[in-house]
Amino acid sequence: DTAVSQTPKYLVTQMGNDKSIKCEQNLGHDTMYWYKQDSKKFLKIMFSYNNKELIINETVPNRFSPKSPDKAHLNLHINSLELGDSAVYFCASSQPTQGANGYTFGSGTRLTVV
Amino acid sequence: AQSVTQPDIHITVSEGASLELRCNYSYGATPYLFWYVQSPGQGLQLLLKYFSGDTLVQGIKGFEAEFKRSQSSFNLRKPSVHWSDAAEYFCAVALNTGGFKTIFGAGTRLFVKA
Repeated sequence: DTAVSQTPKYLVTQMGNDKSIKCEQNLGHDTMYWYKQDSKKFLKIMFSYNNKELIINETVPNRFSPKSPDKAHLNLHINSLELGDSAVYFCASSQPTQGANGYTFGSGTRLTVV
Repeated sequence: AQSVTQPDIHITVSEGASLELRCNYSYGATPYLFWYVQSPGQGLQLLLKYFSGDTLVQGIKGFEAEFKRSQSSFNLRKPSVHWSDAAEYFCAVALNTGGFKTIFGAGTRLFVKA
């Protein structure tokens, strides 16, 4: 009964490819997030959606496009992958809105671009 | 600008010894404060949180943290460390800037020696 699940767990791809990461939460939370964790473990927010509506869009290249078909799902599509996109991407959710009560994280997707 | 500082990149303690991980934040008002733990290959798990009230908060796994407004600190403590506590620990701040946004510190890696 995983609360926040991401697929795939590992993704190895070549530069220039397009890939997607999927995230689903079964907690009934309204808000979902994508975070990027770099090789030094630094976590940076990328996007946040509240009930399918984009509410946070940090300075992220427009090659990254999130999509939320419903409030339980938040997917991340990345076009024209670059070496610098290699990182661990975490999905998270929260209730109430926008994380004042803390987040529940998925286990991450390790993306390696070669 | 708002920031979260964890001064120690890594700390090594002996099993059974006490632990204190430091966290300082820079923010004009009292923020929402959190500590998360990340085991290798896993997502982040919420240990505890502080919003208001008693400045000493208890969390899971025997951890506690104390909010000190005068020092802008929210240090994490545990009286007796177990080998299974070896992990990366993140302090985080949720800021209400017209909408909440969570900022994470750079993390402190805890090593536990037998």
